[in-house]
Amino acid sequence: GAGVSQSPRYKVAKRGQDVALRCDPISGHVSLFWYQQALGQGPEFLTYFQNEAQLDKSGLPSDRFFAERPEGSVSTLKIQRTQQEDSAVYLCASSSGLAGSQGSYNEQFFGPGTRLTVL
Amino acid sequence: QQPVQSPQAVILREGEDAVINCSSSKALYSVHWYRQKHGEAPVFLMILLKGGEQKGHEKISASFNEKKQQSSLYLTASQLSYSGTYFCGTAGGTSYGKLTFGQGTILTVHP
Repeated sequence: GAGVSQSPRYKVAKRGQDVALRCDPISGHVSLFWYQQALGQGPEFLTYFQNEAQLDKSGLPSDRFFAERPEGSVSTLKIQRTQQEDSAVYLCASSSGLAGSQGSYNEQFFGPGTRLTVL
Repeated sequence: QQPVQSPQAVILREGEDAVINCSSSKALYSVHWYRQKHGEAPVFLMILLKGGEQKGHEKISASFNEKKQQSSLYLTASQLSYSGTYFCGTAGGTSYGKLTFGQGTILTVHP
């Protein structure tokens, strides 16, 4: 079966441009997470969706970052007016169960990520 | 707060064993272990849940000391395919299952 897919795999943007990163989770997965991974570091949480509801966006670094999952499947992470510090790999992960203290037991399946480079 | 992993890097010969540790200053509900190869997605290895439950690959073993808020991943009889960066991700009981990852441990296995 298909895993989590992300597109584009690589994106180069000039500073100030807007970008949109897409995530296709595993079909039927309720939970969807976005993470940011800087070079040589572990992934850092950005935001969480349960179906179409964005229940946690505490990790979004600024109001230039916006995520949506309008139909509860595909998700898009949008970054407006990109800055050099936004350069990173953006990972999407999906999980079959609900998050929360019980949902912490569910493994997250990661996509290959989108490598964003802001010049 | 980010969990701390040790060691930062390990170099092994095929067949040797290794232990990777993950320590948190916060109370933990579960610990998740992933392996990531360069340019690829992190791959799930194991979840250890408070209370002793575990879920993961049969060939991987790990422990979770709730009192010390520590977890260890045991890699035995290492193979070349074990090379990669290992991350632990911790989840607190009140979180949405969002994971706070350590900085990673780079494992290199040589023939």
